[in-house]
Amino acid sequence: DAGVTQSPTHLIKTRGQQVTLRCSPISGHKSVSWYQQVLGQGPQFIFQYYEKEERGRGNFPDRFSARQFPNYSSELNVNALLLGDSALYLCASSWPSGQVYEQYFGPGTRLTVT
Amino acid sequence: GDSVTQMEGPVTLSEEAFLTINCTYTATGYPSLFWYVQYPGEGLQLLLKATKADDKGSNKGFEATYRKETTSFHLEKGSVQVSDSAVYFCALGANYGGSQGNLIFGKGTKLSVKP
Repeated sequence: DAGVTQSPTHLIKTRGQQVTLRCSPISGHKSVSWYQQVLGQGPQFIFQYYEKEERGRGNFPDRFSARQFPNYSSELNVNALLLGDSALYLCASSWPSGQVYEQYFGPGTRLTVT
Repeated sequence: GDSVTQMEGPVTLSEEAFLTINCTYTATGYPSLFWYVQYPGEGLQLLLKATKADDKGSNKGFEATYRKETTSFHLEKGSVQVSDSAVYFCALGANYGGSQGNLIFGKGTKLSVKP
C-alpha cells in the first residue's frame, strides 16, 4: 500500500504570497494532521481533521487554514507568508485504534520564503 | 500544558556501542508515548510505542519502557549500527479531551554512529 504522499516536494515563495500544500493519506485512514518542523526543532502541531471536520488546532495564527475533502485528502493554506514560515511541513494520517492514534508521516514539503 | 523533554544532542557513538537517549514528559492523564526516527531528507517514521504504564515498546533492536513513576520513556539499543544514524524524536499523544490525535514532540536528538 502507498504511504502518505505530499506535494509539492519543495517550494520557494516570496514574503506576502500565499501557498497551498497537499496531502493524500494512507488508504483507509480518515484522519489527517499537519505539523510544521522548523530546522533543528521537533514538529509542531498545526491542525487535525477527521471525517472532514476540524478536530484540533495548534497555536498558529489565522493565516494558516486547512480543509479535508470527501476522499480524506487535505490541503494546508498559508496566507501572507513570512520569512519565519520557512519550514518542513509534514502531513500525517491515522486510523484511530481505541485510544491510540498512531500517526504515519509523509516525506514533507520543504517551504522556503524569501 | 503537556510537554516532552529529551536529551540534547548530538550523540556520537562507535559501531556496536550501547545507546541511551533520555526522554521525560509532563502530561495530564495517561498519554501514549512514541519514538519516531527521521533519516536525512525524509519524513518521520514510527519506531516504537507504548500505551500504558510499564508497557515496553520494541522494534529493530530498540526498546523503551513507559515509566509512570519517573514520567520517562528512555530509548535504548544494545549495539548500534552506522545505519542507525538519524534524528530521534520522543513524542506524547494525548488520549483525552480535545487533544486526541495530535502529537507533542521533543526537540530531537541527533545520533551519529561511526564505523
